[in-house]
Amino acid sequence: RKEVEQDPGPFNVPEGATVAFNCTYSNSASQSFFWYRQDCRKEPKLLMSVYSSGNEDGRFTAQLNRASQYISLLIRDSKLSDSATYLCVVTGGGATNKLIFGTGTLLAVQP
Amino acid sequence: DGGITQSPKYLFRKEGQNVTLSCEQNLNHDAMYWYRQDPGQGLRLIYYSQIVNDFQKGDIAEGYSVSREKKESFPLTVTSAQKNPTAFYLCASSMLGGTFEQFFGPGTRLTVL
Repeated sequence: RKEVEQDPGPFNVPEGATVAFNCTYSNSASQSFFWYRQDCRKEPKLLMSVYSSGNEDGRFTAQLNRASQYISLLIRDSKLSDSATYLCVVTGGGATNKLIFGTGTLLAVQP
Repeated sequence: DGGITQSPKYLFRKEGQNVTLSCEQNLNHDAMYWYRQDPGQGLRLIYYSQIVNDFQKGDIAEGYSVSREKKESFPLTVTSAQKNPTAFYLCASSMLGGTFEQFFGPGTRLTVL
């Protein structure tokens, strides 16, 4: 079983749509959770951290369910510029800086 | 501007040659990391360093070597022992502790001819 699992997609959605990505992780000791965005042939960039209480940043909402070891990202009112691969990332567990990356979910927003 | 730089952006190597990828950061981060990304796979950790003159192997260290002589610099050498070196190499840095976010450089795309 992969340590972080994501649906690879692609998710093809029209502009203005709401789209949700899900991710599961296997290490119950993981402490920190993130969504990164990666454009084609570019480096990953931090989109947002994910907190137990859930957090929102404009059109983006992230949620964490520790009991189910499940993370989600919701994008409302999709823009063409949201087209990218979204990486689910968790820490390796314990007092460590090591991050474990999912393989990513590809989003294509169409006009 | 604070950030992470990697050079070169593209690198071509003949089989049997060692090559060194540069990574520099001016974020005053203690920790630095090297990842490899292949199509359809997540980022895999090659080496990481949390302090000058100290580094640890990641999940796929075979065929690679690193040094950390300065806080700002963490070069990666891809040796001829690495059997499949063609990949996208990403360097990252972070503060120690805290919330563990890592920030990435623009990457080096290595192709073995």
